[in-house]
Amino acid sequence: EAQVTQNPRYLITVTGKKLTVTCSQNMNHEYMSWYRQDPGLGLRQIYYSMNVEVTDKGDVPEGYKVSRKEKRNFPLILESPSPNQTSLYFCASSLSASGTGELFFGEGSRLTVL
Amino acid sequence: SQQGEEDPQALSIQEGENATMNCSYKTSINNLQWYRQNSGRGLVHLILIRSNEREKHSGRLRVTLDTSKKSSSLLITASRAADTASYFCATGASDMRFGAGTRLTVKP
Repeated sequence: EAQVTQNPRYLITVTGKKLTVTCSQNMNHEYMSWYRQDPGLGLRQIYYSMNVEVTDKGDVPEGYKVSRKEKRNFPLILESPSPNQTSLYFCASSLSASGTGELFFGEGSRLTVL
Repeated sequence: SQQGEEDPQALSIQEGENATMNCSYKTSINNLQWYRQNSGRGLVHLILIRSNEREKHSGRLRVTLDTSKKSSSLLITASRAADTASYFCATGASDMRFGAGTRLTVKP
């Protein structure tokens, strides 16, 4: 089954404790992206990757890091989480980054930073 | 910054009625997409309309695009309770941007 898998789905952590949210897709997609969703703000792009070892900043990259060492994986790293990073995070992938294809989304990771 | 802005923010209708949601965007586009999100779940792609298309249908969905007005609309005909969800328009490519969405409630 074609899917984008995120883990963990739910996480409560404390300020400053490094964490990684993993994302994996099994569709051999070139493009992957991370979004955060906050009430009233819709989805905002954090980082995206158009291929292995190619990553770029989205609209809200501060406080986040990503890596794309393998085509299927695109982890999101919070080196020192802060309460303003409490949010619902989505990973998405697409066959190409041309914008002509649909994005496939994971089920989301709800992060709470105390 | 958001590229698309949906209107209205919330819409409540009875089952069987039609639901219309609008999206306005700011810059020129190659295509525009609509997505659906059930409460707290991942977004699901509904339909893509290219900049040279004016209207597109998929089942009970009808999407229009007016590039001169930088706007699009999504019409859901004969709505069902299961259509209750948030609907988002999205534009862009590698920098795909979403609006804040329209929350649709369909009452049985």
